[in-house]
Amino acid sequence: DGGITQSPKYLFRKEGQNVTLSCEQNLNHDAMYWYRQDPGQGLRLIYYSQIVNDFQKGDIAEGYSVSREKKESFPLTVTSAQKNPTAFYLCASRREHQQSYEQYFGPGTRLTVT
Amino acid sequence: SQQGEEDPQALSIQEGENATMNCSYKTSINNLQWYRQNSGRGLVHLILIRSNEREKHSGRLRVTLDTSKKSSSLLITASRAADTASYFCATDAEGSNYKLTFGKGTLLTVNP
Repeated sequence: DGGITQSPKYLFRKEGQNVTLSCEQNLNHDAMYWYRQDPGQGLRLIYYSQIVNDFQKGDIAEGYSVSREKKESFPLTVTSAQKNPTAFYLCASRREHQQSYEQYFGPGTRLTVT
Repeated sequence: SQQGEEDPQALSIQEGENATMNCSYKTSINNLQWYRQNSGRGLVHLILIRSNEREKHSGRLRVTLDTSKKSSSLLITASRAADTASYFCATDAEGSNYKLTFGKGTLLTVNP
């Protein structure tokens, strides 16, 4: 899982509550990403950030928010507006370099909302 | 949008056999990458093939790319039980600014 940590591994919340998932990296990577994975499915991009204090919406940003105040940290908030928040959430990072394409992933956080 | 589609969805083989997984995609790409995911874990990068390459090897992995057919294949030779995992292709489309689009994956089970 490289130098990316996600906490907690499992998270349980009641419907209607906002919840923030942590993602920290010590790889000195500029770019960071949040993905959602549903059972038997691939990864879908929620938000990404290529530099501190800047981030862009991915394919499924509705009901989510992010911040990028530090290079090492890219927390994801799952808001009560997200209709189906139960999923496996993966954070990744990439070195912002023209010849650097691969992404490094954290171990993931499994969120269950009831 | 999920550009890459892997085939088959699931594959079960015996240890020592070869495993082949295929990936099809829709748009022009800069490169195509294969990742592995053990159950309940994060993804691990396996191999990258650029759009101007046709074949690449890394250990027991062999990847091919046919840009005219917009398809790629991942071959794992002499499989081991430890190769049991889900395998995803991810495309870095032209103009995507390094964003990856993942397929739904192939679940490989290697029986000892």
